[in-house]
Amino acid sequence: SQQGEEDPQALSIQEGENATMNCSYKTSINNLQWYRQNSGRGLVHLILIRSNEREKHSGRLRVTLDTSKKSSSLLITASRAADTASYFCATADGATNKLIFGTGTLLAVQP
Amino acid sequence: DAGVTQSPTHLIKTRGQQVTLRCSPKSGHDTVSWYQQALGQEPQFIFQYYEEEERQRGNFPDRFSGHQFPNYSSELNVNALLLGDSALYLCASSLPSGGPSYFGPGTRLLVL
Repeated sequence: SQQGEEDPQALSIQEGENATMNCSYKTSINNLQWYRQNSGRGLVHLILIRSNEREKHSGRLRVTLDTSKKSSSLLITASRAADTASYFCATADGATNKLIFGTGTLLAVQP
Repeated sequence: DAGVTQSPTHLIKTRGQQVTLRCSPKSGHDTVSWYQQALGQEPQFIFQYYEEEERQRGNFPDRFSGHQFPNYSSELNVNALLLGDSALYLCASSLPSGGPSYFGPGTRLLVL
């Protein structure tokens, strides 16, 4: 990837469990965003965290950002079968809205 | 509030042909970006249009070109298609000041 890696590449959990995905990036950023993609269709924006923020919540989602380690994590709590999808982190430099994506994590939530 | 729309949804072409993909941004958005996503890979930035001009370009050859119209809609043109151009092409709109990007459903292009 141009920007970095996500791990794990794939994750399989049971409904009700929590899922954690990690993202590392290489360059300085203005913000980092997380997107969900179902079955190779369009991406859905989940949450944006700015470089001066350390943690952000949105519903069952919790995102952390550590700019000193150039890493971020996405936590989905109390997962549901409908959360089954690919999750991508993406960084933006702030000058434009050009996004550089991580390699993605495929999450499977078993009912 | 209409989201980002793209047309067509699917397209089959043969090597050497040319293709035009279309995108209408989310209402109120004036910045349009295009991404190519090969099967099993992450999206790759092709270019971005703002005020009818290409503002930034990724690592794609000149066979990939685009246009933005006064109503902010955009086209992506690919000439001399190669088998490797087979991919999902995603359009995203945003505000020039930043913030989240909103993606369309994509156009799946198959080059035979």
